[in-house]
Amino acid sequence: SQQGEEDPQALSIQEGENATMNCSYKTSINNLQWYRQNSGRGLVHLILIRSNEREKHSGRLRVTLDTSKKSSSLLITASRAADTASYFCATAPYSGNTPLVFGKGTRLSVIA
Amino acid sequence: GAGVSQTPSNKVTEKGKYVELRCDPISGHTALYWYRQSLGQGPEFLIYFQGTGAADDSGLPNDRFFAVRPEGSVSTLKIQRTERGDSAVYLCASSLGTSGREEQYFGPGTRLTVT
Repeated sequence: SQQGEEDPQALSIQEGENATMNCSYKTSINNLQWYRQNSGRGLVHLILIRSNEREKHSGRLRVTLDTSKKSSSLLITASRAADTASYFCATAPYSGNTPLVFGKGTRLSVIA
Repeated sequence: GAGVSQTPSNKVTEKGKYVELRCDPISGHTALYWYRQSLGQGPEFLIYFQGTGAADDSGLPNDRFFAVRPEGSVSTLKIQRTERGDSAVYLCASSLGTSGREEQYFGPGTRLTVT
C-alpha cells in the first residue's frame, strides 16, 4: 500500500516558473523525503525533513512539512527543462522498522 | 565512488521461468532494499535487509518471491514460476544506517518483462 499521495498527478509549466507539488500522508512519521526519477529508472534523493522541522531548503528546492495536517510541499523555483521528471514523496514511519513508503508521484514537465 | 548497480538492466523471460536479479549496494552500506515499480506508480516495498538478515519481508507478494544477501553485501532477488503480472521495474537501494528511515541510494533498476 502507498501512504503518500502526491498532488497534482501531473504538472506542466514554462521554464522559469515555480513548480509546487504536494504530498499528504496518513500516519505519524519520523521523517518525510522527496525523490526525483528520470525516465522511469533510478530515484535520486532530494531532501529529507524530520517531523520536528517545518521548512528546509536545498538550492532551488524548498520543502515544508505540516504534521498537524499530515502534508508536505515541494517547491522548485525558477524551473529548468532539466527539472522534467517524476517527483515522489516517501514517508518513514514514526515507530518500528518499516522502511519508506512511497506515493504515486507527480510528473513534472518543464517546457523550454 | 561507485553507486548502486543492478544486473541485468533488462530481462525478458517466458511465463513460468525462474529469474534472478542482482544488486550491488554501495560499499559499506548496511541496509539494502528491494522495490517493485509498475508504470505510473511509485516504488512498492518488497523486502529489506540489515546485514545478512531480512529485517522486513512483508512486501513480498507471495512465496514465489525470495531474496538473499548471504555475505551482507550483494543481494539476489529470485522469482520462481514467473507470471505476466510480475512484469515491472525492480529497484534496489542501499543506505548507511539500519533503521530504514535514512536517505536511500537507488540503482538504475532491472526492467523485467514476462511474456
